[in-house]
Amino acid sequence: EVQLVESGGGLVQPGGSLGLSCAVSGFTFNNSEMTWVRQAPGKGLEWLSYISRSGSTIYYADSVKGRFTISRDNAKNSLYLQMNSLRVEDTGVYYCVRDRSDGYEPLFDHWGQGILVTVSS
Amino acid sequence: SSELTQDPTVSVALGQTVKITCQGDSLRSYYATWYQQQPGQAPVLVMYGENNRPSGIPDRFSGSSSGNTASLTITGAQAEDEADYYCNSRDKSGAQLYVFGPGTRVTVL
Repeated sequence: EVQLVESGGGLVQPGGSLGLSCAVSGFTFNNSEMTWVRQAPGKGLEWLSYISRSGSTIYYADSVKGRFTISRDNAKNSLYLQMNSLRVEDTGVYYCVRDRSDGYEPLFDHWGQGILVTVSS
Repeated sequence: SSELTQDPTVSVALGQTVKITCQGDSLRSYYATWYQQQPGQAPVLVMYGENNRPSGIPDRFSGSSSGNTASLTITGAQAEDEADYYCNSRDKSGAQLYVFGPGTRVTVL
């Protein structure tokens, strides 16, 4: 059974930092591209960041570039998102997602249950 | 970044057919991918590529594309199809890798 389990969410003040983790099982993590997607309360989905199988290729949405850092540890079957300089508008549910695009259209076939991040004073 | 546009809401009578559309310049070069999201749940992939359904997605879901418009059609809509539907594609402008449409809320009457 495929499982993606996010952790590390919670309440943080504006300007603060938070690190998310995603523990993966049920598929070959080191052969999988990965992505983070978030959803603000009552809003739509927003793609945030992508990382290639080896971690050598990384992309970010303009909204988080320079503040968020995606990384992975293939030995631990884990994906990470370090979030710095957090803003109120970063509040939302963050999803860890397997990306099977392989250079073509996005194909997010497995999603975690999501973890809530609240940025508020 | 490139934008994808979707109608905010559509409604369909139980058992009838509904087409959900997604428009954007990037769709002239890339297929759209479609996700269904039920309230309080994570999104689920329902359509990708030219017209491909993941295992477990009913065959009442179909996809098509023409020019700058991609469509997801539900033929014989069921009550459980009431959900938000998002399209997704690559960002042709290259400003970022991927972009989502704003979503369409489908109501089954």
